[in-house]
Amino acid sequence: AQTVTQSQPEMSVQEAETVTLSCTYDTSENNYYLFWYKQPPSRQMILVIRQEAYKQQNATENRFSVNFQKAAKSFSLKISDSQLGDTAMYFCAFMSPDNTDKLIFGTGTRLQVFP
Amino acid sequence: DTEVTQTPKHLVMGMTNKKSLKCEQHMGHRAMYWYKQKAKKPPELMFVYSYEKLSINESVPSRFSPECPNSSLLNLHLHALQPEDSALYLCASSQRPRTGYSPLHFGNGTRLTVT
Repeated sequence: AQTVTQSQPEMSVQEAETVTLSCTYDTSENNYYLFWYKQPPSRQMILVIRQEAYKQQNATENRFSVNFQKAAKSFSLKISDSQLGDTAMYFCAFMSPDNTDKLIFGTGTRLQVFP
Repeated sequence: DTEVTQTPKHLVMGMTNKKSLKCEQHMGHRAMYWYKQKAKKPPELMFVYSYEKLSINESVPSRFSPECPNSSLLNLHLHALQPEDSALYLCASSQRPRTGYSPLHFGNGTRLTVT
């Protein structure tokens, strides 16, 4: 069974600085999908960035980028130029390419951005 | 603005009440999901509907009864709940057919309190 591990329960960063959130996962599959979701106090789960395992190039979305290390089964999220609005819970998630529709979440990292 | 709308935002119910949670999306997605999220925990999958048919039931107690009356609507009927069922209930949707990865789009959730 697949598992997703986020070893940092809480992180903090000063505004305009860079922060990296860690995520590791375990799977025997060769192809799969990885996501980072953000959940602010408004409660909505918002997709931040996604990565297909067969693509070696790391995904980027504006200030958000990932460091995808397939062999190490690592999928970290880097937030550059942190903003107060980035304060939220961040969940790493894994999805198998089959039709099970199961999105497996990590336990989350609470990020606080300070002015 | 969320493209997945959930009502009500908050619900307080007694253990003998019958209530329903509603979810609506107009993105043409043909897969819809119910997740349960306890405080400071990741979302846990409850049900998946694909093309308006129940495709996954994660061994959820029968006091939770899902219904998908059409491709845009998803309901969760609640009856005889327990206090431990108090949680945030999240609805999500995704595309069908799924070509490659299809990320989930989440609503803002219904905060349920069972007294």
